[in-house]
Amino acid sequence: EVQLVESGGGLVQPGGSLRLSCAASGFTFSSYWMHWVRRAPGRGLVWVSHVDGDGGDASYADSVKGRFTISRDKAKNTLYLQMNSLRGEDTAVYYCARGRGQWLQDAFDIWGQGTMVTVSS
Amino acid sequence: QSVLTQPPSVSGAPGQRVTISCTGSTSNIGAGYGVHWYQQLPGTAPKLLIYDNNNRPSGVPDRFSGSRSGTSASLAISGLQAEDETDYYCQSYDSSLSGSLFGGGTKVTVL
Repeated sequence: EVQLVESGGGLVQPGGSLRLSCAASGFTFSSYWMHWVRRAPGRGLVWVSHVDGDGGDASYADSVKGRFTISRDKAKNTLYLQMNSLRGEDTAVYYCARGRGQWLQDAFDIWGQGTMVTVSS
Repeated sequence: QSVLTQPPSVSGAPGQRVTISCTGSTSNIGAGYGVHWYQQLPGTAPKLLIYDNNNRPSGVPDRFSGSRSGTSASLAISGLQAEDETDYYCQSYDSSLSGSLFGGGTKVTVL
């Protein structure tokens, strides 16, 4: 079964750090571009970041650029999101998602169940 | 400004047809980038409904259809059912942002 399972969310103080993980199974992980998307309470979906199949190319939304880093471990079939200098506005459910193809304009066809990140003192 | 604009809400009676618009600009939909649509039920992950303007993934009922024209796109739901009452999002790539963009979401209510 094709599956994505996120972990690593929790409560963190403003200015703190957190690393999210997304374990992939049921497909050839290295063949797909991967993304992080978040949804803040009462708000809509917002794309956060992408990484290509090799992990050599990545892009970020302006709101997280310079603070978040996306990466992937092909041996562990796992996607990561390192989040530093966290702010209250980063509070959200974070989803990892698989791109259908190898273009940024492709749809996201598989999603994880999400992990909640709460930034609060 | 790079945004995708959706109406906050649409409603219809069971069996009726409703449409959700997604208005973009020349840096996203108008540039020819594909528009994708997602359904998100409360407490669950988004589900891909339509990709590349008008294609349905396997398992998605043909009651759902998509179209694109100029700088806008639409999702149509025909034969509206109670289970369709939830949130829907459009998505496209934006060349100005060099990243993906979601619409603000539309809440569908079945009267």
